[in-house]
Amino acid sequence: DAMVIQNPRYQVTQFGKPVTLSCSQTLNHNVMYWYQQKSSQAPKLLFHYYDKDFNNEADTPDNFQSRRPNTSFCFLDIRSPGLGDAAMYLCATSRTVTGAVQYFGPGTRLTVT
Amino acid sequence: SQQGEEDPQALSIQEGENATMNCSYKTSINNLQWYRQNSGRGLVHLILIRSNEREKHSGRLRVTLDTSKKSSSLLITASRAADTASYFCATERLSNFGNEKLTFGTGTRLTIIP
Repeated sequence: DAMVIQNPRYQVTQFGKPVTLSCSQTLNHNVMYWYQQKSSQAPKLLFHYYDKDFNNEADTPDNFQSRRPNTSFCFLDIRSPGLGDAAMYLCATSRTVTGAVQYFGPGTRLTVT
Repeated sequence: SQQGEEDPQALSIQEGENATMNCSYKTSINNLQWYRQNSGRGLVHLILIRSNEREKHSGRLRVTLDTSKKSSSLLITASRAADTASYFCATERLSNFGNEKLTFGTGTRLTIIP
């Protein structure tokens, strides 16, 4: 019954070593989002896709990239993780951008050593 | 900048009591949503209330919206231990571009004491 799946749930990477987080959905939603959430803080939107249309937030560092090869899958690439990138990364989906509920995956907890 | 601010930041109550959390925001909105997040997990949608609505109910949840005060409240009645979680309000702002997204508030950490 899982609708938004994130793998892995826990990821440990070394400082500067590229890492990829994955998200898949069975809802056939048009929109997929990536959020970064640090401890006791609000989720912060990094970017979203509307179909294949990529929308980057103005303050998202260039170190963060994303790919959406098809409707079901979306990837978050962190090219050179720093200690400050340690966080929970949440993937979400929705049918549309406006006026729609977002469905979240369980998140990937990233540790940078 | 943060659109939504929840109050209080943390709340502890006895099981069976009612819990009220408040959210204030800064700009005009299309809708406001409440989400719950259990520790170390993703967010779960609770209620969406549109800008032309004043109150919505869902089970033990009651949400109010006062657009003149730019504020919303979430009431959980007859609280249970399983309600222990963080609760976030999220606002979708009015835009001429039709591409607005949700902005999450800082959250209220609710602890239900058995």
